[in-house]
Amino acid sequence: GQQVMQIPQYQHVQEGEDFTTYCNSSTTLSNIQWYKQRPGGHPVFLIQLVKSGEVKKQKRLTFQFGEAKKNSSLHITATQTTDVGTYFCAGQHSGAGSYQLTFGKGTKLSVIP
Amino acid sequence: EPEVTQTPSHQVTQMGQEVILRCVPISNHLYFYWYRQILGQKVEFLVSFYNNEISEKSEIFDDQFSVERPDGSNFTLKIRSTKLEDSAMYFCASMAEINQPQHFGDGTRLSIL
Repeated sequence: GQQVMQIPQYQHVQEGEDFTTYCNSSTTLSNIQWYKQRPGGHPVFLIQLVKSGEVKKQKRLTFQFGEAKKNSSLHITATQTTDVGTYFCAGQHSGAGSYQLTFGKGTKLSVIP
Repeated sequence: EPEVTQTPSHQVTQMGQEVILRCVPISNHLYFYWYRQILGQKVEFLVSFYNNEISEKSEIFDDQFSVERPDGSNFTLKIRSTKLEDSAMYFCASMAEINQPQHFGDGTRLSIL
């Protein structure tokens, strides 16, 4: 079946350090979406990438979609304590008629003040 | 900003009992989904619903599960005879159209005793 692998599973950083999480799909994606989930909360949509090689920025967050539309990354510059949470990538696979999302396992980010 | 709303926020049920989880998707959205997240694990797709019928379902969505859109606003997930392993957070999501982001509700925490 369609799978999305995400690494690392956990990341502990000092406040001010950078953070990156990576996703890789077993098949070509139609698009990839990134979500942030705080403990006890629900996935909150951050961004969607659709085009091959696309790069989008949201303040300190940079999102990339690979040329082959099979991998993606999220990079946070100069982390803050408010960045704490689990970051999930979720891919919509080409040919998935119902457009359901296949989630990665998430990267849990801890920021040490 | 329009939101997906889910009720109840927490449901505690005896094993073998039926539960109905309710969702009100965003009003102009056309695609509806149920996902679940077992504690500490990734979000998993259960079922998608479009044009008043199921468009896709996962292996998890077996005969004990059913979905309905009884009126123009509600979207429900019924679990007929709950098992201990059904304990999880259940998220409803809706999407306006193809290649648009999915918006998640706050979830219902289902605890089976």
